[in-house]
Amino acid sequence: ETGVTQTPRHLVMGMTNKKSLKCEQHLGHNAMYWYKQSAKKPLELMFVYSLEERVENNSVPSRFSPECPNSSHLFLHLHTLQPEDSALYLCASSQGLAGGRKETQYFGPGTRLLVL
Amino acid sequence: GIQVEQSPPDLILQEGANSTLRCNFSDSVNNLQWFHQNPWGQLINLFYIPSGTKQNGRLSATTVATERYSLLYISSSQTTDSGVYFCAVRANYGGSQGNLIFGKGTKLSVKP
Repeated sequence: ETGVTQTPRHLVMGMTNKKSLKCEQHLGHNAMYWYKQSAKKPLELMFVYSLEERVENNSVPSRFSPECPNSSHLFLHLHTLQPEDSALYLCASSQGLAGGRKETQYFGPGTRLLVL
Repeated sequence: GIQVEQSPPDLILQEGANSTLRCNFSDSVNNLQWFHQNPWGQLINLFYIPSGTKQNGRLSATTVATERYSLLYISSSQTTDSGVYFCAVRANYGGSQGNLIFGKGTKLSVKP
């Protein structure tokens, strides 16, 4: 138990569906992250939020839309996805982005997404 | 951008054996973390170690920042050590805050 939870753990969706992934951290952290992990590829950072403001958007397609309503919750809204978007989506949090040990990242268990 | 290479890509050990995993990076870093991903996908942070040596039980890590590599040592391996070990770094130059670059990982299998 890392203090970061994600729901759902598994998701199957069609290309025309709209769904949302939820992440919640119980660590009192100020920074949250979305990562994508595809087979045979390194983890890819998608979005970074610090104090509810987006500070990083790594050229992610607009069919992925993040939302951070407060420092404990992070959502990833999905619409009109493609089969190649099937992957493990991981959420992480850290105490901050100020450098040093505060940037130690704690990961949730992930959501395994299959797009048909 | 910064390159991160991990070796070996795969490693099979007998329970009780020791091992060394390596992470090479192409530029100076201000952040280096080692993670273990279990077979169910959960990533656990093992060490925050941009330089120096740390130990936690059977695991220890050393980063030689001037020579751009880090080593993760696993002693007396157990079957629960199986999984993928990732090294992640952030370069000193430019880049965005919090943007860790992950290596491809070392997949470890410990046999009973």
